[in-house]
Amino acid sequence: DQQVKQNSPSLSVQEGRISILNCDYTNSMFDYFLWYKKYPAEGPTFLISISSIKDKNEDGRFTVFLNKSAKHLSLHIVPSQPGDSAVYFCAASMKTSYDKVIFGPGTSLSVIP
Amino acid sequence: EPEVTQTPSHQVTQMGQEVILRCVPISNHLYFYWYRQILGQKVEFLVSFYNNEISEKSEIFDDQFSVERPDGSNFTLKIRSTKLEDSAMYFCAGQWISGNTIYFGEGSWLTVV
Repeated sequence: DQQVKQNSPSLSVQEGRISILNCDYTNSMFDYFLWYKKYPAEGPTFLISISSIKDKNEDGRFTVFLNKSAKHLSLHIVPSQPGDSAVYFCAASMKTSYDKVIFGPGTSLSVIP
Repeated sequence: EPEVTQTPSHQVTQMGQEVILRCVPISNHLYFYWYRQILGQKVEFLVSFYNNEISEKSEIFDDQFSVERPDGSNFTLKIRSTKLEDSAMYFCAGQWISGNTIYFGEGSWLTVV
């Protein structure tokens, strides 16, 4: 039962262009969403988060959009840089279970110079 | 910036042996987690720990697994009798008392042979 889905296992983008990573979730109880970035052989690094009371959160080159009715969120990276090449995990949690964050399977982003 | 540190970074062990993975969370984190990632698969929740007891665990976290925080600083994951399928990267993580952002360590790569 995949509660957090990332249907694109990989994505290639030219340097300078926009990268859009998508995430869908099934559990309407989720109210907090996070994006993590992971390089090989390293732990996931927190990037940006959004609460369900908002529909957009921005931090530098990273913007997360949340569409609650569609149970969909996306991460935009503008402009994309080669150092952004990594696996990006979407994750979600809910107020009733702050103890656990559910991860999606990840999308591998390659930014081509 | 404070970090979650994990030891060892890599351990090779024979099937059936006991393994202890150690983590030093960020001080004044109160919630602690173990996650794992089998090669090529997604990051999976194992267990959460708060106030010196397990608060939630996944179906993966069976009787061969245990966690403890013996001295108020180190947080350990013990695998009593390792199996080949326990080979994975194990991530320790911590969380502040409020807020949902979880901060991960670099991971401990366990290879069971």
